[in-house]
Amino acid sequence: QKEVEQDPGPLSVPEGAIVSLNCTYSNSAFQYFMWYRQYSRKGPELLMYTYSSGNKEDGRFTAQVDKSSKYISLFIRDSQPSDSATYLCSPEGPGGYQKVTFGIGTKLQVIP
Amino acid sequence: ETGVTQSPTHLIKTRGQQVTLRCSSQSGHNTVSWYQQALGQGPQFIFQYYREEENGRGNFPPRFSGLQFPNYSSELNVNALELDDSALYLCASSFRVGDGYTFGSGTRLTVV
Repeated sequence: QKEVEQDPGPLSVPEGAIVSLNCTYSNSAFQYFMWYRQYSRKGPELLMYTYSSGNKEDGRFTAQVDKSSKYISLFIRDSQPSDSATYLCSPEGPGGYQKVTFGIGTKLQVIP
Repeated sequence: ETGVTQSPTHLIKTRGQQVTLRCSSQSGHNTVSWYQQALGQGPQFIFQYYREEENGRGNFPPRFSGLQFPNYSSELNVNALELDDSALYLCASSFRVGDGYTFGSGTRLTVV
């Protein structure tokens, strides 16, 4: 079993739709949960992160973590064509490198 | 200085050659990690340096080696290049666990 599982997509939605992106993970030691956005031919950029279980909202983006089910979600409201990118989830644990793992990434396309 | 810069942006090498990729981390970030990202895949962890010492390594052979310098710059060296080493190589720096990583735009290496 991979440490982080993520549906690679592609996911195509019309502009204005609500997008739900999800990851599951296997290591219960993870404590920090990051979402990165990666545009084509660019490095990933940190979008937002949460610590432990709960929700965090930042503008049109909401990150949600359920540690009991090891499930991570990112919701995008009022999606825009500029949101078209690959979204990578990345849980981190205490103590450094061993726990920095990325999912395969979900490719999102928002159609005008 | 803000951000992470990588050089060169593109590189073509012949199988069996050696290559050095360079990264300039964000000032104050003592931790730097290197990742390999094949097309359509998430970043795969190569190794991490903290204050000029390697403190973690992924599942990569010894011909992948690195250095970190006091001025927040670092290098990734790959010896005896193989065709499968063709990928985007990403450098990322962080201040501490849980802060997330700041990525460079990467070096696209093609081995022919």
